[in-house]
This record gives sequence, C-alpha cells and structure tokens, in this order.
Amino acid sequence: SSELTQDPAVSVALGQTVRITCQGDSLRSYYASWYQQKPGQAPVVVIFGQNNRPSGIPDRFSGSRSGNTASLTITGAQAEDEADYYCNSRDSIGDVVFGGGTKLTVL
Amino acid sequence: EVQLVETGGGLIQPGGSLRLSCAASGLSVSSNYMSWVRQAPGKGLEWVSVIYSGGNTYYADSVKGRFTISRDNSKNTLHLQMNSLRVEDTAVYFCARDRFNLAAAPYHYYMDVWGKGTTVTVSS
Repeated sequence: SSELTQDPAVSVALGQTVRITCQGDSLRSYYASWYQQKPGQAPVVVIFGQNNRPSGIPDRFSGSRSGNTASLTITGAQAEDEADYYCNSRDSIGDVVFGGGTKLTVL
Repeated sequence: EVQLVETGGGLIQPGGSLRLSCAASGLSVSSNYMSWVRQAPGKGLEWVSVIYSGGNTYYADSVKGRFTISRDNSKNTLHLQMNSLRVEDTAVYFCARDRFNLAAAPYHYYMDVWGKGTTVTVSS
C-alpha cells in the first residue's frame, strides 16, 4: 500500500506559526485528513477535506495541498497544541493509510 | 451524543484468540463505514480493518487471514475477532467511524468519531 511520510518532530515558539507536512502519492487523489493525539487519548480529527474544521476545532488550524504534499498549519500555536499529529488518506486500492506522525513541541 | 466504547482487551498468550467489541450510541453501525485502528506502545496509528455499510470487509496485510471484522446490527455493535495473535499485535485498539466523499477528485476521507480504545497485550 501507499505510504505517507511525515517529519518525526517539529518545534514552534509559543504564538508563532508552524507547518506540518505529509507526502505521498495517494495525496494526488485524496485530500489528507489530520488528527491530533495527546498522550493517553484517542485521536481527534482537526482538518478534513479541502480545509474543513470540525466543530470545536480552533480556526488557527488550517490545511492545504499541493501535488503530493499536504500541510497542516497552526497559526499562533498555543501550549495546548503540543501533541502528536497524524495525516491520513486512502491509497490507490482503497486501503486506509496513516503517516508516521509528527511530534509537535511548543517552546 | 455520538459515542463509541471499546471492550474486550486483555492479556493473551501468543497463538491465542480475543474478540473486541465496539458499542455505538448516537450512530448506526450498519449505516456507516466502521474501522479498527491500532497503536502499538510508543508507535503511530495503524489501520487494521474496515467494514462497509454494504457489508464488504477489508484488512491490512499484517492481519489478513487472522482477524475478522463484523457487526451485530441488533446490538449496534462492531466486533473484531482476532485469532493466532502475535506479540506484534500488542496495541491499543480503537474503533472509529469513517466518513468520505468520493464524488470527484480530489476525494476526501477521514474518521470523525473515535472510541477511547481497549488495550491488547500479547505475551507469554
């Protein structure tokens, strides 16, 4: 199945902007969805589709896509945004794929 | 309130079997695509299996032939029967509802409701 590649770790200063990326061939056909996971908790979807936020997700979270790369941007990162972030889509045969995850540290 | 609650995890020896359940409220298991996703200790998310509303089932290569996804419509519950368990199946197992739009590319696919997970430990 297709793979989705993410940087293992990213850091951002409090209040600054950070971009987390996800690369994979499947992203030429699919928008990526993005999940936030805090320790000991289930994942929570923060972005899906072109740039959709579920109810309750702050508008500092946004998504974009170019070619085979999807990006999650957090504009004005807050301490509570420190978490693991995963991208997700389906591959060419319909299997679900997740990226390896990015650990975001807010300094 | 839409909710998924997983049960059935535990400690099991290699080669053993376990059946996980995911009780749904506020949504219909039979009307949705439902997935199992697992997370090994300290590792990332791994999709395990999906059952479509029409009944078709699909599996990750790592569990194909050993795991079976099913649902009990009368109890609005999703199941995962896990046989021939291996040490590497040790993980927290989450159930989730799949949402998607395949009308035109680029398509979108995501999981919008997740349970809190149940822990499976395969060890001798």
